[in-house]
Amino acid sequence: DTEVTQTPKHLVMGMTNKKSLKCEQHMGHRAMYWYKQKAKKPPELMFVYSYEKLSINESVPSRFSPECPNSSLLNLHLHALQPEDSALYLCASSQGVPPKSSYEQYFGPGTRLTVT
Amino acid sequence: GQQVMQIPQYQHVQEGEDFTTYCNSSTTLSNIQWYKQRPGGHPVFLIQLVKSGEVKKQKRLTFQFGEAKKNSSLHITATQTTDVGTYFCAGPINAGKSTFGDGTTLTVKP
Repeated sequence: DTEVTQTPKHLVMGMTNKKSLKCEQHMGHRAMYWYKQKAKKPPELMFVYSYEKLSINESVPSRFSPECPNSSLLNLHLHALQPEDSALYLCASSQGVPPKSSYEQYFGPGTRLTVT
Repeated sequence: GQQVMQIPQYQHVQEGEDFTTYCNSSTTLSNIQWYKQRPGGHPVFLIQLVKSGEVKKQKRLTFQFGEAKKNSSLHITATQTTDVGTYFCAGPINAGKSTFGDGTTLTVKP
């Protein structure tokens, strides 16, 4: 199984809502990532988990809260988001752990988030 | 933090023509990765280059890493309509800022 799955596919939420994005991989990968991608822009790294521990936080606002319950699951909890947070949120995983030499990233299909 | 610049932003070619996208960094890169994202899709890993002067081929795709490890290129020979999409290079993920290049969007006219 070489697939990263993400749920939901689409999410519309108000600025006062609390919601969560979920990501799952069963490849035994040791690193998992959250990216944000705006239309016609490259993915922007948000968080990296290495061996289930948060290793990189790219100065992401606290309204985004990641969680790694186990080695296969990664969540992104959302609270009090702004309309400018609307984007495609991509999860990825890799066997290798950055910054070591090889970490081929497998991306999930993403969650398209709209904040109203 | 590091910054990876990618050009061109867009490339329109006739089917059968060649295509090249370039990435440049002001600092030496320990590695560089290349991804392809189809319209409406997610990035798909193509290759990682690690060694100075490295050249790798995947069918019609040729990837190069510069001698100084500051630049890289992806060349597609005889493009096909299945090659359409955005090609991204990505610098290494370190404790500092990690960046994808801005991408080159390739369109192929049949």
